[in-house]
Amino acid sequence: KQEVTQIPAALSVPEGENLVLNCSFTDSAIYNLQWFRQDPGKGLTSLLLIQSSQREQTSGRLNASLDKSSGRSTLYIAASQPGDSATYLCAVRPKGGSEKLVFGKGTKLTVNP
Amino acid sequence: GAVVSQHPSRVICKSGTSVKIECRSLDFQATTMFWYRQFPKQSLMLMATSNEGSKATYEQGVEKDKFLINHASLTLSTLTVTSAHPEDSSFYICSARLQPIVRLFFGPGTRLTVL
Repeated sequence: KQEVTQIPAALSVPEGENLVLNCSFTDSAIYNLQWFRQDPGKGLTSLLLIQSSQREQTSGRLNASLDKSSGRSTLYIAASQPGDSATYLCAVRPKGGSEKLVFGKGTKLTVNP
Repeated sequence: GAVVSQHPSRVICKSGTSVKIECRSLDFQATTMFWYRQFPKQSLMLMATSNEGSKATYEQGVEKDKFLINHASLTLSTLTVTSAHPEDSSFYICSARLQPIVRLFFGPGTRLTVL
């Protein structure tokens, strides 16, 4: 059974700092891995999607890496801003017929002005 | 990007009543939509996969007679929580896939509170 773990559960940093969020998964048989952002009481916004054959994806100040063999992904946020404050979720799509995503519990990020 | 909407955004109901939640893909057609549930400080958990024109596929442990799913058109799926109880209080989120790309788009969620 695929399990996704995110560390840390919460993170508080001063504005401008570069930071890394971690995600690990137990089964390397995945189609892809996706990072989402969730604001309080809101739905999910997809940030980056990495296919299993890829090593990383970049969008603006965000960079996500994938090491499938070790079951790890990181989300790097450069020059953090207060507007980056949110919960960041990692999800994998296991190989198989289903399009089901398996989510981690998320990392709650607070960027202080 | 593609837009998925949900209605209502928030609902409070009495125990024993039924609640219907709508999920719409606004600018694309989705043959498959997904319903997730999120309890406080917990992961999103897939409840069921909604297939247009056919029966939904439910995840293990999810009662299909309690959580009725109807995917009557390519842009609308509904989730009805029947005889709701306080333990059904949760955040329900739907998602849809814009084919042929693999990325899923999520709705804003519906907060259900059962008194």
